[in-house]
Amino acid sequence: SQQGEEDPQALSIQEGENATMNCSYKTSINNLQWYRQNSGRGLVHLILIRSNEREKHSGRLRVTLDTSKKSSSLLITASRAADTASYFCATDQETSGSRLTFGEGTQLTVNP
Amino acid sequence: KAGVTQTPRYLIKTRGQQVTLSCSPISGHRSVSWYQQTPGQGLQFLFEYFSETQRNKGNFPGRFSGRQFSNSRSEMNVSTLELGDSALYLCASSRTGFKTEAFFGQGTRLTVV
Repeated sequence: SQQGEEDPQALSIQEGENATMNCSYKTSINNLQWYRQNSGRGLVHLILIRSNEREKHSGRLRVTLDTSKKSSSLLITASRAADTASYFCATDQETSGSRLTFGEGTQLTVNP
Repeated sequence: KAGVTQTPRYLIKTRGQQVTLSCSPISGHRSVSWYQQTPGQGLQFLFEYFSETQRNKGNFPGRFSGRQFSNSRSEMNVSTLELGDSALYLCASSRTGFKTEAFFGQGTRLTVV
């Protein structure tokens, strides 16, 4: 079963705008990772944030984690058409070891 | 550094047949996990192998099995294929499997007819 829920399920923006996606989860975690997937292909690893971190940056990506609310957000700044993809959060729960539990994903469309 | 390699990329099989999928992890990574992705169920964990041992298992029937070799390469086998097994099968490689990044391959698209 999916632990996480992404919000929104779909997001459509114009190039140059920022895109924010949210992820919620239900149990205590070790880490949270964000992935991108283009048209049913493989998952591309974007960023990992540990449970003791609150914010992390990588290029145009900014990820926040609020363990008290069991939620995370992914911000993509200055979006490009190439950012069009599905974005998933994945958590590894303290009690499930190596298993990643994925959210249902947000479909981002960036219009040129 | 080469990424995670999955073969084949596409497969078409008939109900009742069996199939074997292969995954070569990133060099130095000892943990390999398998996931099934379908439109209805999303991404679901199948199992994880570390040092040739199954360390974690999801809620899939016994028709789904796997193994890992001494070079960390892994295979996944599905026997007696059903239409519902049609999915994208993804392999993830990580250094230890715990608290580290997991990197995915391009997946194998299995279609059962």
